[in-house]
Amino acid sequence: KNQVEQSPQSLIILEGKNCTLQCNYTVSPFSNLRWYKQDTGRGPVSLTIMTFSENTKSNGRYTATLDADTKQSSLHITASQLSDSASYICVVSLTGGGNKLTFGTGTQLKVEL
Amino acid sequence: GAVVSQHPSRVICKSGTSVKIECRSLDFQATTMFWYRQFPKQSLMLMATSNEGSKATYEQGVEKDKFLINHASLTLSTLTVTSAHPEDSSFYICSAQTQDRGDYGYTFGSGTRLTVV
Repeated sequence: KNQVEQSPQSLIILEGKNCTLQCNYTVSPFSNLRWYKQDTGRGPVSLTIMTFSENTKSNGRYTATLDADTKQSSLHITASQLSDSASYICVVSLTGGGNKLTFGTGTQLKVEL
Repeated sequence: GAVVSQHPSRVICKSGTSVKIECRSLDFQATTMFWYRQFPKQSLMLMATSNEGSKATYEQGVEKDKFLINHASLTLSTLTVTSAHPEDSSFYICSAQTQDRGDYGYTFGSGTRLTVV
């Protein structure tokens, strides 16, 4: 069964600190992996997308890594800001296009003063 | 970049009435759109795939007569929750599929909070 598991489930950090969110998947055949940020009561917004051959992708203070051999990805947030408080969702896509997306349950991040 | 507009953002309706949610691709044509439902602290659950000019494809367990989907143009898909009940209260999100150099992208709308009273 195709699954995407994220950890931790929730996380609280102080403003300015760094953090790393984890994503393990069993989706096969793998096409690409995306990280989304979802603010409360809003739709997900894309942060990064990586294909099988990529192992890192940055978007400002967000850096995603991918190890396709171990089927693991991480999202690193540097110098966190209060506005980073949100749910971060890992989404893995099957090959073949269409909406063959498998969503992780997300990590709820809270950045505090 | 691709923008998807979803309207309304919030709606409260009485039990037994119908509610229509619109999803528009603003600066691109979307032949395929998707409708999701999300419960608190849970992941998005795909309800149906909407293809322009053809019938929607519903996921197992989703009542097609209750959740009517229409994709009459390349920029608009609508989800109508018919005879709404309190258990239909949820967060509904649409997304549109884009394609760039052979890879698919998915742009999400901002969601609709439906409350049935």
